[in-house]
Amino acid sequence: DADVTQTPRNRITKTGKRIMLECSQTKGHDRMYWYRQDPGLGLRLIYYSFDVKDINKGEISDGYSVSRQAQAKFSLSLESAIPNQTALYFCATSDVAGGSYYNEQFFGPGTRLTVL
Amino acid sequence: AQSVTQPDIHITVSEGASLELRCNYSYGATPYLFWYVQSPGQGLQLLLKYFSGDTLVQGIKGFEAEFKRSQSSFNLRKPSVHWSDAAEYFCAVGATGANNLFFGTGTRLTVIP
Repeated sequence: DADVTQTPRNRITKTGKRIMLECSQTKGHDRMYWYRQDPGLGLRLIYYSFDVKDINKGEISDGYSVSRQAQAKFSLSLESAIPNQTALYFCATSDVAGGSYYNEQFFGPGTRLTVL
Repeated sequence: AQSVTQPDIHITVSEGASLELRCNYSYGATPYLFWYVQSPGQGLQLLLKYFSGDTLVQGIKGFEAEFKRSQSSFNLRKPSVHWSDAAEYFCAVGATGANNLFFGTGTRLTVIP
């Protein structure tokens, strides 16, 4: 969905480096999510935020941190990257109104991260 | 615990043939069900969703899905596949009060001429 953008789209880094992945949205949604996708494992939730002051851990938060700088921006950080964090990372949003009641989510294009 | 199972990792069909992708879920509450498609290098796009009402739902690109509560299934179908349908397909489940969607592991669709 063009309304949800992620930067960078691709990144190669080395073990131990700090990495930040950024997500911006123009949909006006309050809820934002970070997922990682690994082959054969589907999408797994890392963190989610229901508003600027509300941040929650997901299924696999260890080794990650997030920052919700504004309603429209949600960043994911890897403080010290390791090779098993090599994955495709997606940001998603959902609305507080009808959409979120059913948790319909809208996804960005993804960031492919490789940790050497 | 919530779970979504997509038993087929990879399916190959000929262009013009019919398609059915399977999805089974386990959820204690009334589920809300989604099918997403991921084309190569792209994010996930919503194909269709089921919240309530008619158990046969129509989506974009000619896809449909049928909710069968007795079988805990939400299978995706298309009567005639096009080469552009080659992608990975994810089934997901949500529910009232749930904070998140739960995704299946995906089914990769290959379309041969």
